[in-house]
Amino acid sequence: GAGVSQSPRYKVAKRGQDVALRCDPISGHVSLFWYQQALGQGPEFLTYFQNEAQLDKSGLPSDRFFAERPEGSVSTLKIQRTQQEDSAVYLCASSSRPGQNTGELFFGEGSRLTVL
Amino acid sequence: AQSVTQLGSHVSVSEGALVLLRCNYSSSVPPYLFWYVQYPNQGLQLLLKYTSAATLVKGINGFEAEFKKSETSFHLTKPSAHMSDAAEYFCAVISLQGAQKLVFGQGTRLTINP
Repeated sequence: GAGVSQSPRYKVAKRGQDVALRCDPISGHVSLFWYQQALGQGPEFLTYFQNEAQLDKSGLPSDRFFAERPEGSVSTLKIQRTQQEDSAVYLCASSSRPGQNTGELFFGEGSRLTVL
Repeated sequence: AQSVTQLGSHVSVSEGALVLLRCNYSSSVPPYLFWYVQYPNQGLQLLLKYTSAATLVKGINGFEAEFKKSETSFHLTKPSAHMSDAAEYFCAVISLQGAQKLVFGQGTRLTINP
């Protein structure tokens, strides 16, 4: 597609449920990022992939968060046993350049997760 | 560690007035700096970037920003606001030392009054 596509756009989960958020980056983009944006805050880094390799997962807040990009294109962010503090917008971004320091990212519209 | 501070979570200006959104950075070495814009129900979009070339950077939609090392600032300006400029604006920094990743400020919501 022409841009970064994320699904679902909205997800409501009961506390304790597992959720999976999908990201389709721009075709051919080697770098893929996940960010978490809490209400009224700026995006905060979660994890970075270069092709299929997860090179940086230092921003994942707990071991309940897991991300994968098995074929170097589509990525899934999984949150196990969701908690209310996980409520946020999860943003996916991609870049044609390798490395985390490119700064020129193309963002999707985000997946808004609400945990009740 | 690098960081940015955006002064003012909300800014309101009249249509046709000057837009000034403030951003100060903290970095131990000269950084790369960025402004992103987020229109309602859309993803973040790059407005402009500073990567150690010209200190005055021009971006899309008539916006520009000036890198001032002495003031550690990278304020975003537009001479004449348009209704379509209403959005959330994020300043971001990459330090070329240490953890070289994009770090965002908290954002400034710009409202344009008719």
